[in-house]
Amino acid sequence: DQQVKQNSPSLSVQEGRISILNCDYTNSMFDYFLWYKKYPAEGPTFLISISSIKDKNEDGRFTVFLNKSAKHLSLHIVPSQPGDSAVYFCAARKTSGSRLTFGEGTQLTVNP
Amino acid sequence: GAVVSQHPSWVICKSGTSVKIECRSLDFQATTMFWYRQFPKQSLMLMATSNEGSKATYEQGVEKDKFLINHASLTLSTLTVTSAHPEDSSFYICSAPGTRSYGAQYFGPGTRLLVL
Repeated sequence: DQQVKQNSPSLSVQEGRISILNCDYTNSMFDYFLWYKKYPAEGPTFLISISSIKDKNEDGRFTVFLNKSAKHLSLHIVPSQPGDSAVYFCAARKTSGSRLTFGEGTQLTVNP
Repeated sequence: GAVVSQHPSWVICKSGTSVKIECRSLDFQATTMFWYRQFPKQSLMLMATSNEGSKATYEQGVEKDKFLINHASLTLSTLTVTSAHPEDSSFYICSAPGTRSYGAQYFGPGTRLLVL
């Protein structure tokens, strides 16, 4: 049972434009959502997170939006840069415990 | 920020041998650490939760006798792949939860295991 899904395995955007990465979840018990960035042969790097009581969190070029009623979140990167090219994972966790449930990942390619 | 290290970064071994991977939290204490496995072009698969001073909790389908986990201190967890076979070749990553950002986990750089 895939509780966190990223339906787009890949996304290609032009440098300077906006990248929008999407994630859906099914478990209403999730209270926190996180985005990670991963380069090949490296561990994931934490990017940004959001609590279920909020609908938006912004950190520099990265903004995460949460639509709790739709069980949907998205990560916006603007402006996109070639160095943003990586696999992006969304993850979710419940209030109790620290275990994360990951989506399948989306490969973002930013073309110069 | 929280830093997690792993050693070795890569290892090649013969089939039938055992391999130990270390995961250390460098600037914080971690009573819990997580071990993941990633196959090429696939997501992170949680293998087990390592608990300091007690037994690890394994995910369904993960053989506890094959993947031995020891969390001997608040900064060190080890994963031993026993009697390794070629199908155990994978990228193994550990993580530890931090205290900020809604408990975001901080990941080590990963260990690439190749079993010949």
